[in-house]
Amino acid sequence: EVQLVQSGAEVKKPGESLKISCKGSGYSFTSYWIGWVRQMPGKGLEWMGIIYPGDSDTRYSPSFQGQVTISADKSISTAYLQWSSLKASDTAMYYCARLSSSSWFDPWGQGTLVTVSS
Amino acid sequence: DIQMTQSPSSLSASVGDRVTITCQASQDISNYLNWYQQKPGKAPKLLIYDASNLETGVPSRFSGSGSGTDFTFTISSLQPEDIATYYCQQYDNLPSFTFGPGTKVDIK
Repeated sequence: EVQLVQSGAEVKKPGESLKISCKGSGYSFTSYWIGWVRQMPGKGLEWMGIIYPGDSDTRYSPSFQGQVTISADKSISTAYLQWSSLKASDTAMYYCARLSSSSWFDPWGQGTLVTVSS
Repeated sequence: DIQMTQSPSSLSASVGDRVTITCQASQDISNYLNWYQQKPGKAPKLLIYDASNLETGVPSRFSGSGSGTDFTFTISSLQPEDIATYYCQQYDNLPSFTFGPGTKVDIK
């Protein structure tokens, strides 16, 4: 079974750093792009960026370029999303998802809730 | 950037009703249009890919059609378990992915 399992919920203060993870299993992790999607409370889905774990080629949405860093460690089949200095506006649910045939996201991880509050 | 619009933003229908959601792209996206279902508190789930292809295991009451800029998603007979928000999503080869704003479906 193809599966993506994300790290647990985080509560952080403004200005702190954070790295959340997404571990793939049941398929060749290095052969598919992995995407990250943000969902702010009560809002819709926003694409943040994608990474190809095979060679770490990374593409960002212009809205998130410079705001986050996407990386991957193919040796442990894990993709990451990180912030160097969190803001309250980063409070959201973050999903990872495998990109199939370069067009659709399937499957999705269960989501990681990030809460940033002083 | 390609913009996606969806209508309606919400709807309320009775069990057994036919439900239709439309999605419009700001420019031609061929058939690079996918549909997802998101139930409250859950991750999105792929239902339809490339505009009209039903994902394996998805009930046949769900269907999609369209190409170019105008797309339609249909639930032929609404069931209680279909209560969710539905999103369209486009892809272009920049690469860039854009989700529609979503349609919340409720039971009347």
